[in-house]
Amino acid sequence: ETGVTQSPTHLIKTRGQQVTLRCSSQSGHNTVSWYQQALGQGPQFIFQYYREEENGRGNFPPRFSGLQFPNYSSELNVNALELDDSALYLCASSFQGTTTRYEQYFGPGTRLTVT
Amino acid sequence: AQKITQTQPGMFVQEKEAVTLDCTYDTSDPSYGLFWYKQPSSGEMIFLIYQGSYDQQNATEGRYSLNFQKARKSANLVISASQLGDSAMYFCAMREGRGGGYNKLIFGAGTRLAVHP
Repeated sequence: ETGVTQSPTHLIKTRGQQVTLRCSSQSGHNTVSWYQQALGQGPQFIFQYYREEENGRGNFPPRFSGLQFPNYSSELNVNALELDDSALYLCASSFQGTTTRYEQYFGPGTRLTVT
Repeated sequence: AQKITQTQPGMFVQEKEAVTLDCTYDTSDPSYGLFWYKQPSSGEMIFLIYQGSYDQQNATEGRYSLNFQKARKSANLVISASQLGDSAMYFCAMREGRGGGYNKLIFGAGTRLAVHP
């Protein structure tokens, strides 16, 4: 069973730039969620993708956007980066179906630093 | 609004002893789920245990058990026979589910556990 993978591991960007983070879901999973974890805090829900559509969003501005592909992998895009966007970005996958299992399995994260 | 509270910023335990990490939650939804995750310094969130609101028995997974007290809205994690590798940050989380595949997790602030030899 292949676990959740994320790329890149680390990233340094300048304020105002755009960034794309990538996530491959665990095999057999069809739902991907993205979380932002600032230093010393618990993760905050950004949004979730199911069947290639966003089906839930947290309190994040529209400059945070995403995609899910037919193979269930996903991208998180952040435009007009701000210093406060510096955080660990975590991707989690889960399965939704006739027998839904609610456990979400997380990837290793991408640490984004905005200077 | 749904909320998770972890009141212990840090805990320490002697190796081979048991430790309880506290978690209380607040929700008006009759259907919810509670999770515990472990986050080592590497950053990855490792799933430990899950308890559904309608589950009659407390969840157990190896050395981890969840002490679920619904009336008190608490979901404490018990780690038995602590090991040095258990030193990490531990997060309690609640699933906010509205059907249709929606599966948002709300996390607490976490408890840092240190296991001493």
